[in-house]
Amino acid sequence: EVQLVQSGAELKKPGESLKISCKGSGYKFTSHWIAWVRQMPGKGLEWMGIIYPGDSDTRYSPSFQGQVTISADKSISTAYLQWSSLKASDTAMFYCARGLYGSGANDPFDIWGQGTMVTVSA
Amino acid sequence: QSVLTQPPSVSGAPGQRVTMSCTGSSSNIGAGYDVHWYQQLPGTAPKLLIYGNINRPSGVPDRFSGSKSGTSASLAITGLQAEDEADYYCQSYDSSLSVWVFGGGTKLTVL
Repeated sequence: EVQLVQSGAELKKPGESLKISCKGSGYKFTSHWIAWVRQMPGKGLEWMGIIYPGDSDTRYSPSFQGQVTISADKSISTAYLQWSSLKASDTAMFYCARGLYGSGANDPFDIWGQGTMVTVSA
Repeated sequence: QSVLTQPPSVSGAPGQRVTMSCTGSSSNIGAGYDVHWYQQLPGTAPKLLIYGNINRPSGVPDRFSGSKSGTSASLAITGLQAEDEADYYCQSYDSSLSVWVFGGGTKLTVL
């Protein structure tokens, strides 16, 4: 079964660092883009960035450039999203999603992780 | 302000047909990039509903259909069912921003 399994919910304080994960299985991890998508409470989906695990080519939305870091470890089929200093406004659900074809721009995201809820509160 | 514009809400009675729009520009939908649609049921992760403008993944009922024309796309749902009540998002790629983009989402209410 093709799936993406994300790490569990996190409760952090402002200023703390965090790295959440997304592990792929059931397919060739290095041949498909992995995107990260934010959903703030009660709001819509926002595309944050994307990585191609095969060569670590990474793109960021201008809204998230410099705010987060996306990486991948192809040896363990896992993508990561990390923050160096969290803010209360980072409180959201974060999803990873797989690009179907591995081609890039026209890829639909066909497999989604279950989501990781990040809560940042003093 | 999303790059792709969707109506905030649509509604319909069981059995009816509803449509929802996704309006973009010459740098995304109008540039020929595919439009994909996702269904997000309450409390769950999004699910791919329509890809490549008109295609349904295996398991998606043929009550759901997509279309694209010019700088816009539409999702139609026929034979509306209570279980269709969800948020629906369109998605494409924008070449001027070099980013993947989502619409703001449309909440479907089944009356």
